[in-house]
Amino acid sequence: DAGITQSPRHKVTETGTPVTLRCHQTENHRYMYWYRQDPGHGLRLIHYSYGVKDTDKGEVSDGYSVSRSKTEDFLLTLESATSSQTSVYFCAISGLAGDEQFFGPGTRLTVL
Amino acid sequence: AQSVTQLGSHVSVSEGALVLLRCNYSSSVPPYLFWYVQYPNQGLQLLLKYTTGATLVKGINGFEAEFKKSETSFHLTKPSAHMSDAAEYFCAVSASNDYKLSFGAGTTVTVRA
Repeated sequence: DAGITQSPRHKVTETGTPVTLRCHQTENHRYMYWYRQDPGHGLRLIHYSYGVKDTDKGEVSDGYSVSRSKTEDFLLTLESATSSQTSVYFCAISGLAGDEQFFGPGTRLTVL
Repeated sequence: AQSVTQLGSHVSVSEGALVLLRCNYSSSVPPYLFWYVQYPNQGLQLLLKYTTGATLVKGINGFEAEFKKSETSFHLTKPSAHMSDAAEYFCAVSASNDYKLSFGAGTTVTVRA
């Protein structure tokens, strides 16, 4: 299994509070991604990174920000959580353009 | 831009029967195609992928898929379903010069004893 961990694995928070999710990899892969998974929508890309300090928006980036200060860590921040951000969040990594992505175990976030 | 349509959000099969999951893609450049499986409360695991070369691709757990350019399809099959195949399956597409994946909405497979 690819060395990808996500923390926390479960979180319950209240509307309006900031939340940070962490993705850590031990594979030294260049590309890292954050997705959210919701029933009927599959996985939708939130943000991605193509190198340290190099990030860009995905298709559902509103309300989210990311940072990557080291190759191994990719942080996803919800500045002010809303109930619509209740979801399961997955981190993924890949080494090359066009290559398969390897997924972390996911973080289940509930915003009350 | 690439996109994927998975036909059928739920598929129910009997144990030992053929599993067929349908995936059609749209891509402006030659696509790379993937099938992932997700077991309950787990992350996604790669079943198989097509990049170039042979259009019939074999993956793990007895699954295979065939790339048909003329039909823009990449359907997933398994000749004989097992109870352990109950899971959600996702088709995804990317381009050779891109590192982002576009996923379908997923198909949930249930296997009847």
